[in-house]
Amino acid sequence: GEDVEQSLFLSVREGDSSVINCTYTDSSSTYLYWYKQEPGAGLQLLTYIFSNMDMKQDQRLTVLLNKKDKHLSLRIADTQTGDSAIYFCAEILSYNTDKLIFGTGTRLQVFP
Amino acid sequence: GAVVSQHPSWVICKSGTSVKIECRSLDFQATTMFWYRQFPKQSLMLMATSNEGSKATYEQGVEKDKFLINHASLTLSTLTVTSAHPEDSSFYICSAASRSYEQYFGPGTRLTVT
Repeated sequence: GEDVEQSLFLSVREGDSSVINCTYTDSSSTYLYWYKQEPGAGLQLLTYIFSNMDMKQDQRLTVLLNKKDKHLSLRIADTQTGDSAIYFCAEILSYNTDKLIFGTGTRLQVFP
Repeated sequence: GAVVSQHPSWVICKSGTSVKIECRSLDFQATTMFWYRQFPKQSLMLMATSNEGSKATYEQGVEKDKFLINHASLTLSTLTVTSAHPEDSSFYICSAASRSYEQYFGPGTRLTVT
């Protein structure tokens, strides 16, 4: 199947690290993505990782991929109130490279 | 770079009328454009994939006669919701890709049908 699951909600204090998790079922993922959606807006591509990589870091963002467990995570260091949004993980499968399959989304709330 | 715009950003229309939403890639040529629908507090649902100059490919369960997609150029795709009904009210988001692995999303269009 093509299920991508995320926990619904995460609340963190400003300055702490946030870790958003994602699990997927199809092992033929080629690229995996993290998108950010602010209220009433479209999706902003934050970062992506190719399936043969274990980790990717981009400034405050660290993506970890455990392909054996089909688990993807996004760590946001020094979380700020502007990071409050919904975060979607998504994957592209090797046999359908046109189709992004989205996770259920995690609402991140950052409090002072 | 990689900016995608949508117009309008929100629209209210009466039941039975048709509404056209435009999606433009502003600084790159998009060989493929995608249309998604998002219900409140839910994830995105792919409606259709369109390639420039050819007919759109619709996902299962999406009525092609109701949601008309035209991809006339490498920078413009339009979605027309025909004979709109209140259940068509939703947030419609397009994305554009010049390569399979990179999709860039528009800001979305909120459609309300009264």
